[in-house]
Amino acid sequence: GDSVTQMEGPVTLSEEAFLTINCTYTATGYPSLFWYVQYPGEGLQLLLKATKADDKGSNKGFEATYRKETTSFHLEKGSVQVSDSAVYFCALRWGAQKLVFGQGTRLTINP
Amino acid sequence: GAGVSQTPSNKVTEKGKYVELRCDPISGHTALYWYRQSLGQGPEFLIYFQGTGAADDSGLPNDRFFAVRPEGSVSTLKIQRTERGDSAVYLCASSMTATGELFFGEGSRLTVL
Repeated sequence: GDSVTQMEGPVTLSEEAFLTINCTYTATGYPSLFWYVQYPGEGLQLLLKATKADDKGSNKGFEATYRKETTSFHLEKGSVQVSDSAVYFCALRWGAQKLVFGQGTRLTINP
Repeated sequence: GAGVSQTPSNKVTEKGKYVELRCDPISGHTALYWYRQSLGQGPEFLIYFQGTGAADDSGLPNDRFFAVRPEGSVSTLKIQRTERGDSAVYLCASSMTATGELFFGEGSRLTVL
């Protein structure tokens, strides 16, 4: 079945560092791809998405490009802030069907 | 508030007891989802409602788990004869349409002693 694999955490960076969190997926065809973020004490919220190959999703300085050749959707940010500390989840979805999540990557940014 | 509301936020119970978890979706959202998140893992799908009916219940782990949404709004996840392995955070999400963005609640943390 469909699955999502994320780079293992935890990831610890200093403020203003460059961030990459790797995500690859296994699926037949081209599902929509998502990054969700869970800040401490809050519910999951959508960070960005891409619905077809070569699309780039972006929000709050984060970007991810849907690469069908490598079945990847890596999350990047050029300069992280302490407020970016959270757990990040990569996910895929087919139309109206369920979201399938990766295991999550905990990110901690030190001042 | 206008978000997805889940109650209780924390529930501690003993092995073998019955538990109900409630989800109040965003008003007007027709689709409702239940997920389970174990420590250090991503959310796992349990069941999806479109209106009052369960459109996909393939994620329910066994017949001890059951969910209802009788009026197409509030949903209740019911767990019978709880086991220690049921301990997890149970997440609810709703969306305006079947293909729309999912909005998640903060979850109900269930601990089975």
